[in-house]
Amino acid sequence: SQQGEEDPQALSIQEGENATMNCSYKTSINNLQWYRQNSGRGLVHLILIRSNEREKHSGRLRVTLDTSKKSSSLLITASRAADTASYFCATRSNSGYALNFGKGTSLLVTP
Amino acid sequence: DVKVTQSSRYLVKRTGEKVFLECVQDMDHENMFWYRQDPGLGLRLIYFSYDVKMKEKGDIPEGYSVSREKKERFSLILESASTNQTSMYLCASSFAEARNQPQHFGDGTRLSIL
Repeated sequence: SQQGEEDPQALSIQEGENATMNCSYKTSINNLQWYRQNSGRGLVHLILIRSNEREKHSGRLRVTLDTSKKSSSLLITASRAADTASYFCATRSNSGYALNFGKGTSLLVTP
Repeated sequence: DVKVTQSSRYLVKRTGEKVFLECVQDMDHENMFWYRQDPGLGLRLIYFSYDVKMKEKGDIPEGYSVSREKKERFSLILESASTNQTSMYLCASSFAEARNQPQHFGDGTRLSIL
């Protein structure tokens, strides 16, 4: 069942600006992951944050996790046209094998 | 790099046909998954497998079955295709103890049922 909900559904920014996407979820999690999907392609894993972590960085990506609010944010700094894609959060519970995906945020970065 | 290969990028079939979607991974992953992705609905899990010949239903298994005869291959079967199964189908794989590991996705099969 879907658990994550991304916000906003769509985001349009210019190159060089920062992009922030949010994800809310409903039940306890083991970890939360962010994926990117370019148009017509599969999903690519970006970053994973465990439930006992509050912030994580990877290159131009910064992810935060607030388990008390059941929310996460993905920040892409100094965005580029190549960052244009859909971004999904996915949660893994403490039981089970599968990920629960949100519906995604569509990011458009214009030159 | 992990490679998950789906046999077709685009597929057109007719209502009532039996349709096979194939997925192969080359990283000796124990877990394999089939999702479908529809506009406005995101990704929904159809079936997954945690070992050869083992399978578990996901959120929307109706109208589908799966086969895992070899570790590297996971097949999705539409028993009698219907137009509401027109969708993007995504296969993924991961290691068994994969709670803190990502899933690796193929490029998807865009299936149209006419």
